Amino acid sequence: GAVVSQHPSRVICKSGTSVKIECRSLDFQATTMFWYRQFPKQSLMLMATSNEGSKATYEQGVEKDKFLINHASLTLSTLTVTSAHPEDSSFYICSARSTGAGLSHQPQHFGDGTRLSIL
Amino acid sequence: AQSVAQPEDQVNVAEGNPLTVKCTYSVSGNPYLFWYVQYPNRGLQFLLKYITGDNLVKGSYGFEAEFNKSQTSFHLKKPSALVSDSALYFCAVGGSGNTPLVFGKGTRLSVIA
Repeated sequence: GAVVSQHPSRVICKSGTSVKIECRSLDFQATTMFWYRQFPKQSLMLMATSNEGSKATYEQGVEKDKFLINHASLTLSTLTVTSAHPEDSSFYICSARSTGAGLSHQPQHFGDGTRLSIL
Repeated sequence: AQSVAQPEDQVNVAEGNPLTVKCTYSVSGNPYLFWYVQYPNRGLQFLLKYITGDNLVKGSYGFEAEFNKSQTSFHLKKPSALVSDSALYFCAVGGSGNTPLVFGKGTRLSVIA
């Protein structure tokens, strides 16, 4: 089945540090990947849609200069949390969907998430 | 706009009993519906989807869901619950190409031995 690999699984760092999270589709190509943030005991909040070879589309209220997204290839998207502060501590999850001819309404496949803790 | 509602924050069921996790949807046009499960500190795992066809959809781990157009519902079911089914369950709607799924708020299922 479709596998999405997300690294690292956990990051603990000091305030002011920039943190990069990688999301890879291992056995399929994904022209589009999605980045979510999840607070404790809450649903997923879509942060941005990452498109291969073009700029990401950010949801309202999400700072694009704070959360830098790069989708360099059909199998890799990265999220960089720049100058992270304690309020950025959260669980970040990436997702990807197989795209292409004849692949409409495919499920989104999710990485295992990254627990980010900013001290 | 598409949306799903999960009316229950928490569902408790005894091991071996049938379980139901409720979901209702609101869409214009044909609904494309999904169920996911999330275990602690993990991403979401796909369980099943309804695109078209039979109203009863079978998925992973013995789960199934019944699509009911007249009631705009897509409830998740399992005939006999296991303690290991305890997790957070999300219903979702829509999504194709570069359009993300829209998720419900989630329902926490606790199966008690």
